[in-house]
Amino acid sequence: GQQVMQIPQYQHVQEGEDFTTYCNSSTTLSNIQWYKQRPGGHPVFLIQLVKSGEVKKQKRLTFQFGEAKKNSSLHITATQTTDVGTYFCATSGSARQLTFGSGTQLTVLP
Amino acid sequence: DAGVTQSPTHLIKTRGQQVTLRCSPISGHKSVSWYQQVLGQGPQFIFQYYEKEERGRGNFPDRFSARQFPNYSSELNVNALLLGDSALYLCASSRPRGMNTEAFFGQGTRLTVV
Repeated sequence: GQQVMQIPQYQHVQEGEDFTTYCNSSTTLSNIQWYKQRPGGHPVFLIQLVKSGEVKKQKRLTFQFGEAKKNSSLHITATQTTDVGTYFCATSGSARQLTFGSGTQLTVLP
Repeated sequence: DAGVTQSPTHLIKTRGQQVTLRCSPISGHKSVSWYQQVLGQGPQFIFQYYEKEERGRGNFPDRFSARQFPNYSSELNVNALLLGDSALYLCASSRPRGMNTEAFFGQGTRLTVV
């Protein structure tokens, strides 16, 4: 089945610094989704990308889907303490089963 | 509108016991999926049900089973519990059709096997 690799596993940043997490696959993906999970919480959907080269923005968050549809990135500009959590990429097949990456745990130091 | 609800929120069981976890999807959602999330890892797909039929099964042993009821709620059963079954069990529901496959997760059931 499909697998998605995510790096880095952990990232510590000072508040105000930027943050990027990367998601890679050896196969072409039909879509990529991003979720955020706060400590002690559950995954919350952020966005879905389906088109080659697609870029979407949500305030300070920028999501990209690679031209070959094998990689994706999430970039946060000027991190805030509210950005703390684990960010997961995931992909869904025709049956809507999600395959998650291992996540990037973001710590924001005040 | 209520989100996905799961019960119980926490559970402690002994090795060898059986457990049943429950999930109610968002109103109007007919698809329910179950995921296991071990600490420090991403959720792993266990089952998906749609219109009361199993539509997908992940790489989990036969000790894991599930079902979906006419009102689209679902139960996940795990028999002969092992220590390694300790995890957060997440239920997710999704819209019945369309390109958007966004999953709405419940708060999860934290299972501890001792």
